[in-house]
Amino acid sequence: EVQLVQSGAEVKKPGESLKISCKASGYSFTNYWIVWVRQMPGKGLEYMGVFYPGDSDTRYSPSFQGQVTISADKSIRTAYLQWSSLKASDTAMYYCARLGVGETAAGPPSYWGQGTLVTVSS
Amino acid sequence: QSALTQPRSVSGSPGQSVTISCTGSSSDVGSYNYVSWYQQHPGKAPKLTIFDVSKRPSGVPDRFSGSKSGNTASLSISGLQTEDEADYYCCSYAGTYASWVFGGGTKLSVL
Repeated sequence: EVQLVQSGAEVKKPGESLKISCKASGYSFTNYWIVWVRQMPGKGLEYMGVFYPGDSDTRYSPSFQGQVTISADKSIRTAYLQWSSLKASDTAMYYCARLGVGETAAGPPSYWGQGTLVTVSS
Repeated sequence: QSALTQPRSVSGSPGQSVTISCTGSSSDVGSYNYVSWYQQHPGKAPKLTIFDVSKRPSGVPDRFSGSKSGNTASLSISGLQTEDEADYYCCSYAGTYASWVFGGGTKLSVL
């Protein structure tokens, strides 16, 4: 069974750094893209970027380029989303998801983590 | 990359049918048969409901169906049930560098 388990909720102050995680199981971690999606309070889903653990290919949405860093540690099957200096406007739920349905590597975000709530407040 | 356009809300009575539209452009919906739909209940993660325009993942009832014409995709739900009340988001592949784009979401009320 494909599972993505995300790290717990975070409360941070503006200017602080943060790295949240997404641990994968139930499939070959290096063969599938991982996507990160933001959902601000009461708002819709926003694509942030994708990462391919097989070769570390990373692509960011223009809206998030330079604002966050996506990475992964293949040895522990974990993807990361990090900020170097948080802003209040980063307050949101963040989801990781695996692309591809079943054993098909190409495809939409199909298996989702439970989400990590990030709150940035002074 | 602009978000895909969805109606903010739709509603229907139990047993009825509803259709939710998703309008993109020739750079996304119009160019690829990679439109997917997600159901999201309050406080829950999105759930894949339709992929590749009209395919249903295992476990999704056949009351849910998808289609596409030109730059507009649609999700239809027949035989509405109270548990269908949720937010629905469309998503389209938008090419190698833009990758994926979501719609703004539609709130389905089952009255």
